[in-house]
Amino acid sequence: DQQVKQNSPSLSVQEGRISILNCDYTNSMFDYFLWYKKYPAEGPTFLISISSIKDKNEDGRFTVFLNKSAKHLSLHIVPSQPGDSAVYFCAAIGGSQGNLIFGKGTKLSVKP
Amino acid sequence: DAGVIQSPRHEVTEMGQEVTLRCKPISGHNSLFWYRQTMMRGLELLIYFNNNVPIDDSGMPEDRFSAKMPNASFSTLKIQPSEPRDSAVYFCASSLQAAHSPLHFGNGTRLTVT
Repeated sequence: DQQVKQNSPSLSVQEGRISILNCDYTNSMFDYFLWYKKYPAEGPTFLISISSIKDKNEDGRFTVFLNKSAKHLSLHIVPSQPGDSAVYFCAAIGGSQGNLIFGKGTKLSVKP
Repeated sequence: DAGVIQSPRHEVTEMGQEVTLRCKPISGHNSLFWYRQTMMRGLELLIYFNNNVPIDDSGMPEDRFSAKMPNASFSTLKIQPSEPRDSAVYFCASSLQAAHSPLHFGNGTRLTVT
């Protein structure tokens, strides 16, 4: 039973365009959400987070949007750069779930 | 800051052998996590420690898996005996024991059991 779902295993975007990565969750008790980025042969690195009391958090080219009623969040990268090519993991925590629950990841390819 | 250090980076072993994975967390971090990544199941939490004490090991798949944290700067994950289905990338992560403190991951150990 996946509590955090990333339904798109891969996404390909042209350099300079917007990348939108999506994530859905089922547990309404989740109150904090994070995105991690992972390059090959490296561990995931923290990218950006959002609390459930907000609906948007922005950090440079990266913006995370949260829609609590739809149990959906998305990560926007604009403009996309080839160096953004990586696997992006969505993660959530909250309620009785004391630990981060990760999605399976979306592989983003940004083409020059 | 050296980050979380894991060793070895790669391990190839035969079924039935004992495997020990090692992790050195970031100095000052008091929470340590072991994750396993597979294509089928993604990133799964196996066990985590707070202040060297195991808090939740419900993710450990079987009794063949065990983890220890003898001090604040070292942890091991042991598989004995290993099986081919244990083949995966194993990540160690550490964090401050504070709400919403992000995890810092090591670069993982790629385990292949033949």
